[in-house]
Amino acid sequence: AQSVSQHNHHVILSEAASLELGCNYSYGGTVNLFWYVQYPGQHLQLLLKYFSGDPLVKGIKGFEAEFIKSKFSFNLRKPSVQWSDTAEYFCAVNAGSYNTDKLIFGTGTRLQVFP
Amino acid sequence: GAVVSQHPSWVICKSGTSVKIECRSLDFQATTMFWYRQFPKQSLMLMATSNEGSKATHEQGVEKDKFLINHASLTLSTLTVTSAHPEDSSFYICSARGPGRVRETQYFGPGTRLLVL
Repeated sequence: AQSVSQHNHHVILSEAASLELGCNYSYGGTVNLFWYVQYPGQHLQLLLKYFSGDPLVKGIKGFEAEFIKSKFSFNLRKPSVQWSDTAEYFCAVNAGSYNTDKLIFGTGTRLQVFP
Repeated sequence: GAVVSQHPSWVICKSGTSVKIECRSLDFQATTMFWYRQFPKQSLMLMATSNEGSKATHEQGVEKDKFLINHASLTLSTLTVTSAHPEDSSFYICSARGPGRVRETQYFGPGTRLLVL
């Protein structure tokens, strides 16, 4: 069965620090990969997604993620975080098959950014 | 664009009653909608996939008669928690996906918090 693991459960950073959140998945076939963000009191929003092509994906608000197939990873990065980036971040995977488009979510990483 | 709403945003009910939660796609037609459950400080767990005009597909371990899903139109799916009990208290989130490629992005609703007393 597919699974997604996010190693960092809680990350605390100061503004302007660099961010990298880990995401690993277990599935040997073609995958579609997503990062979603949930700001306090708000609904899930898509940050970025990877379907195919360039493994370095750029998303909204200065975020990017790199798909490394050999490592089954899709880590999220931002060179300089802001206080407004405080949120819960979820990595998600689906199998990429035309028979299914179910998303499997990781457990989430809570990011707190202090001014 | 791609806005999904849920109603109600929160509900408190007595044990044994049934609760209906609506999920609407406001500006697009959603051929597929998904229902998730999120426990405090945990991830989203997919409960069921709802396709317009057909029976929903419930995930393993999710009772289909307990969590009834109806996707009667291209903009509305409902989740009914029948005979709710305190252990059903949770945050229920729906998402909607438009027609076209299977890989189209899912858009999420704001969630419904259910508390069963």
